[in-house]
Amino acid sequence: QKEVEQDPGPLSVPEGAIVSLNCTYSNSAFQYFMWYRQYSRKGPELLMYTYSSGNKEDGRFTAQVDKSSKYISLFIRDSQPSDSATYLCATDGGSNYQLIWGAGTKLIIKP
Amino acid sequence: SAVISQKPSRDICQRGTSLTIQCQVDSQVTMMFWYRQQPGQSLTLIATANQGSEATYESGFVIDKFPISRPNLTFSTLTVSNMSPEDSSIYLCSVSGLAGAGINIQYFGAGTRLSVL
Repeated sequence: QKEVEQDPGPLSVPEGAIVSLNCTYSNSAFQYFMWYRQYSRKGPELLMYTYSSGNKEDGRFTAQVDKSSKYISLFIRDSQPSDSATYLCATDGGSNYQLIWGAGTKLIIKP
Repeated sequence: SAVISQKPSRDICQRGTSLTIQCQVDSQVTMMFWYRQQPGQSLTLIATANQGSEATYESGFVIDKFPISRPNLTFSTLTVSNMSPEDSSIYLCSVSGLAGAGINIQYFGAGTRLSVL
C-alpha cells in the first residue's frame, strides 16, 4: 500500500463547476499536507498547505483535512480553463526533509 | 520562496552519452533534491543533496549512474551517465523551504526534458 494514494484521473469537468480532488494517506503520524499544481512542461508549484483538520481557504481554492479518516481534499470553485493542470498532494512525513507524493490527478476544465 | 533555474530545459541525446543538468538557486539552501518524472506520472526521488556531504540515493538509483555534485549552498548538478532510451524522462531539481508554522515544503525548477535516442 502506498503511503499517499491519489487517483491519477484524468478528471474532466465543464467550466464553472466545483472540482473536488482527493487523497488518502496511511500513516496517522503525518501532520502537514500540501497541494501542488503542475502545468504541462513546468515544475510543480506550491498551491496550498494545511496542518490541522478543517478547512483553509485561498480565493477559489479550499484545502480540507480530515485526520480521523486520513483524507485530504482540494476544492476549486468556479473552475476556469486555466485551472487545467495536474494536481499533486504531498505530506512531509518523509525523513530528511523529504516529501511523500501522491500520483497526481490530471484535471481538465472544458470551456 | 526560492527561484530555481534549471539548465538545459530540454535535450535530445544519443545512447551511451552523458548529460549534466544544472540547478541554480537564488538563495542559500541546505537541502536540494533531484527527481525523475515520467510523462503522466508522479515524482520519483532520485537523491537528496546536502552541501558538504555525499548525496543520499533512493532505492533503485546509484551514484555511478546518477552522480551528483553540490559544491555550495546555491548550486547542484545531476549527471545522467551512459544513457539509454529508458532514461528518457523529465528531471526536476527542488530545494527545501519553510512555510508558515515551520512546515517543510519544496520549491521546484522548471525541469529538464530528456530524450535518449
